[in-house]
Amino acid sequence: GNSVTQMEGPVTLSEEAFLTINCTYTATGYPSLFWYVQYPGEGLQLLLKATKADDKGSNKGFEATYRKETTSFHLEKGSVQVSDSAVYFCALSPVYSGGGADGLTFGKGTHLIIQP
Amino acid sequence: SAVISQKPSRDICQRGTSLTIQCQVDSQVTMMFWYRQQPGQSLTLIATANQGSEATYESGFVIDKFPISRPNLTFSTLTVSNMSPEDSSIYLCSVFKGYGQYFGPGTRLTVL
Repeated sequence: GNSVTQMEGPVTLSEEAFLTINCTYTATGYPSLFWYVQYPGEGLQLLLKATKADDKGSNKGFEATYRKETTSFHLEKGSVQVSDSAVYFCALSPVYSGGGADGLTFGKGTHLIIQP
Repeated sequence: SAVISQKPSRDICQRGTSLTIQCQVDSQVTMMFWYRQQPGQSLTLIATANQGSEATYESGFVIDKFPISRPNLTFSTLTVSNMSPEDSSIYLCSVFKGYGQYFGPGTRLTVL
């Protein structure tokens, strides 16, 4: 079956540091890939997505590139801020779903803490 | 995107009782989903609810325990039946609209 593996947290960084949160997946074919973010006390928000190999999703300074050869979708940001402190979830949608029109499989989430 | 509301936002229930969670969307959507997030865990899909058809349940979830209604294109309910402490979780509904899947704020359920 489908699965998503994320790096364990918490990840603690200083403000303006470079961020990478690793995400790898197991699925047949070419699933769609997503990053969601959950800020403290708030609901889950769609951050970015990619639907085919070599696609790059980007939003709010965050980027992730769909790497079919390594089955990865790592989240990156060049300079993090305290306001980026949140839990980040990597997720996939099956190849037949048309980019999210089917149930998602989530990773366990990575808690990111940014210190001033 | 979509604006999704859930009721109640939280509840504390006694073992053996049932709770119905409502999910309201600000626009018509075909596909709605129900997820569970157990304490310290990731989100797990319970079922897919499309208007006009029976809900489709994932492995490990059954209709008798989690009956779902989808009376129209903007509303759905999930009932957690005959609750036990193991049902203590956050329950979330989501919809697929345009760019991707959007989530409600969740219902935090505690079963004593």
